[in-house]
Amino acid sequence: AQTVTQSQPEMSVQEAETVTLSCTYDTSENNYYLFWYKQPPSRQMILVIRQEAYKQQNATENRFSVNFQKAAKSFSLKISDSQLGDTAMYFCAFSGSNTGKLIFGQGTTLQVKP
Amino acid sequence: EPEVTQTPSHQVTQMGQEVILRCVPISNHLYFYWYRQILGQKVEFLVSFYNNEISEKSEIFDDQFSVERPDGSNFTLKIRSTKLEDSAMYFCASSEVALAGADTQYFGPGTRLTVL
Repeated sequence: AQTVTQSQPEMSVQEAETVTLSCTYDTSENNYYLFWYKQPPSRQMILVIRQEAYKQQNATENRFSVNFQKAAKSFSLKISDSQLGDTAMYFCAFSGSNTGKLIFGQGTTLQVKP
Repeated sequence: EPEVTQTPSHQVTQMGQEVILRCVPISNHLYFYWYRQILGQKVEFLVSFYNNEISEKSEIFDDQFSVERPDGSNFTLKIRSTKLEDSAMYFCASSEVALAGADTQYFGPGTRLTVL
């Protein structure tokens, strides 16, 4: 069975600095997808970034980038130039190639401090 | 921007009672999902639904649960006889296509269910 683990329950960062959130996963599949979702306080979960396992290039979306290490089954999220609006719970998620099901990690609460 | 909406935001019920949680997916989406998050635990997949049928379900989704699309806009999750352990935040999501990797799932804000 696939599992997703986020080992950092809480993180904090100063505004404008860079922070990295960790995620590891376990799967026997070779083709799959990885996601980072953001859930601001009392708001919907929104997709931040997606990575296809068959792509070696790390995904980037503006200030958000990932470090995808397939052999190590690691998928970290780097937030550059952190902003107060980045304060949220961040969930790492996995999906196999033939399913609509998302498997989530426990989440990391990120606090951006002014 | 279109959003998934859910009602109510908070539902309190007595153990053994039936509850119906409602979701309005994004209008052109065809695939619908329910997830739940027990306080302090992971977000867990419950069920996916397409073309008026369950596509996939987890072991959590037992006979006490059912889903329905009663009309062209609503997607509901019914719990027939609630238990204390059903207390959780329930999230609805929708997407245009079926495979999670091929499309974005858009989530609603959640319904907090409290079973007393």
